[in-house]
Formats: sequence, C-alpha cells, structure tokens
Amino acid sequence: SQKIEQNSEALNIQEGKTATLTCNYTNYSPAYLQWYRQDPGRGPVFLLLIRENEKEKRKERLKVTFDTTLKQSLFHITASQPADSATYLCAPDPTGGGNKLTFGTGTQLKVEL
Amino acid sequence: EAGVAQSPRYKIIEKRQSVAFWCNPISGHATLYWYQQILGQGPKLLIQFQNNGVVDDSQLPKDRFSAERLKGVDSTLKIQPAKLEDSAVYLCASSPGTSGEGGYNEQFFGPGTRLTVL
Repeated sequence: SQKIEQNSEALNIQEGKTATLTCNYTNYSPAYLQWYRQDPGRGPVFLLLIRENEKEKRKERLKVTFDTTLKQSLFHITASQPADSATYLCAPDPTGGGNKLTFGTGTQLKVEL
Repeated sequence: EAGVAQSPRYKIIEKRQSVAFWCNPISGHATLYWYQQILGQGPKLLIQFQNNGVVDDSQLPKDRFSAERLKGVDSTLKIQPAKLEDSAVYLCASSPGTSGEGGYNEQFFGPGTRLTVL
C-alpha cells in the first residue's frame, strides 16, 4: 500500500540555522508533490509544489527537492525564524492523481531564539 | 478574496448523536474536499466533489457519514450516529481546477471544525 513517512519527532533548531525536513514515500510514483504549513487550530496553508521532472524549487527562504529515484523530498527553510515554528506536511499526489492529495503525518518544527 | 468558511468551529456531542458541518468554498472553485484530521496525523481525504458530483468517496464510512454539495457551491458533511473514534478536526478545502485537468492545483483550507464525541 502507499505509504508516506515524515519525521515523527519534533525538530528543534536555533534561529538563523537551516531547517531540513524529510518526506519519504513508498509503493507509488507521484507526478508532483506539495508542501503545506499548519499552525495549531488552523487549516493547512500551501507553500510549494514540485513536479516529478523538477529537481529543485525555491520560494524566498524555502527550497524543496524531489528525488524520484530515492522516493524522497526534502524541504529546507534557510535563516529560520521563530515565526517558522509550525507543523509541515508533505503531500504527494496518490496513484491515479485526480487533483487530490495524500498527506503525511507532518513534522513539527520549533525554532528557538 | 474571502477564504473557505466553515461552521461551527467547535462541536461536542454524545456518542450515537448526529452532527452536521457546513462549508462554503472560495467563489468559483470547482473542486471541494472534506478531510478528517485526527490528532497527531495528517489530513485524510473523506470525499471529493467536482462541481456537484462526487469524484472520490472511497474513504468515506458510508454507513454513518454522508455529504452533499448542492448547486456546486456549499457543502454539508453529516455523521449519524457518531462514534467515539469520530473525534477529530474536519477540514474543508477547495481548489480552482477539476480532476481532469492535471493542473495540480493547490488546495485552500478552511479553519476546520473540531468535533469531540463523548
């Protein structure tokens, strides 16, 4: 069955450092993958989308990579700030696509002063 | 531009009672989704509508859950009767595209309804 794995433990880093979050998937080949941010008590908010033929995508301090051989996506936040503290969800499109997503469990990031 | 609206924000019910959630998507968005998010997990798709037709309801527990999208705009999700394991946040999302476009549209989420079943 399709499986999406994200770091289950919270990631604590110091302000100004680069945070790297991992998303691994098995048993399927998504055509694209999206990353969302979720704050407590709120719905997820879209951050970035990367397609299978793109190796890397950047947006301001955010960078996403997509390695279809390793079946892995990495999400980087450079020069992290306390305001970046949130849960980050990866969402590859499932087999069959159809403009729908399957979400990972998310990784909680805490950026400390 | 107004975002996705959901109500109520919180609901507490006894098991075996019924409950309904309402969602108003972003104007003009063709696709509407209902997700269930249990504490500590990612959102799980329950049902996807394209306009007022169902695209995917494979993960909807149809013996107790039902959903409709009248006139291709607002949507309601109902649970009848509720079980303890239905305690979760119910998220509604919409996206501008349709499932056949392959445009990989981002989804816009509402704030969710937190349901507690006692």
